Amino acid sequence: EAQVTQNPRYLITVTGKKLTVTCSQNMNHEYMSWYRQDPGLGLRQIYYSMNVEVTDKGDVPEGYKVSRKEKRNFPLILESPSPNQTSLYFCASKPQGAVQPQHFGDGTRLSIL
Amino acid sequence: KNEVEQSPQNLTAQEGEFITINCSYSVGISALHWLQQHPGGGIVSLFMLSSGKKKHGRLIATINIQEKHSSLHITASHPRDSAVYICAVDPLVGGGADGLTFGKGTHLIIQP
Repeated sequence: EAQVTQNPRYLITVTGKKLTVTCSQNMNHEYMSWYRQDPGLGLRQIYYSMNVEVTDKGDVPEGYKVSRKEKRNFPLILESPSPNQTSLYFCASKPQGAVQPQHFGDGTRLSIL
Repeated sequence: KNEVEQSPQNLTAQEGEFITINCSYSVGISALHWLQQHPGGGIVSLFMLSSGKKKHGRLIATINIQEKHSSLHITASHPRDSAVYICAVDPLVGGGADGLTFGKGTHLIIQP
């Protein structure tokens, strides 16, 4: 089954404790992206990747890092999480270049205390 | 900067009613997407439109490129249609290189 898998689904942690949210897709998609969703603000793009070793900032990249060492994986790294990063996070993927629907993961709800 | 405006923000209706959610955007686009997000769930793509109209079951999506406007209609609404509906566009220029610009969503509740 074609899917985008995020882990963990839920995480409560404390300020400053490094964490990684993993994202993996099995559709051989070149394009992958991370979004955060906040009440009243909707979905905003954090980082995206157009292929292996190619990443770039979205609209709200501060406090986040990403890497794309393999085509299927696109982890989101919070080196020193802060409470303002408490949010619902989504990973998505699609084939590069074509205007096509993005496939979204089920989301990761992060709470930073 | 491309803005995507949805209305209404919140909508409560009775089962069986005809539902319309509107989306307006400000710049040229290559496509418009309608997404559905159930409470506690992920995001699912319902439609991708670049012109005209598409229908899937009880859902219909239309787009008017000249007026920069799209509508999502639900016929014979049912409580299981309760969800957040999100409009998103692929801008012709700008954006996160194939990144979408999203509306803030419409929270729909269908009461039995």
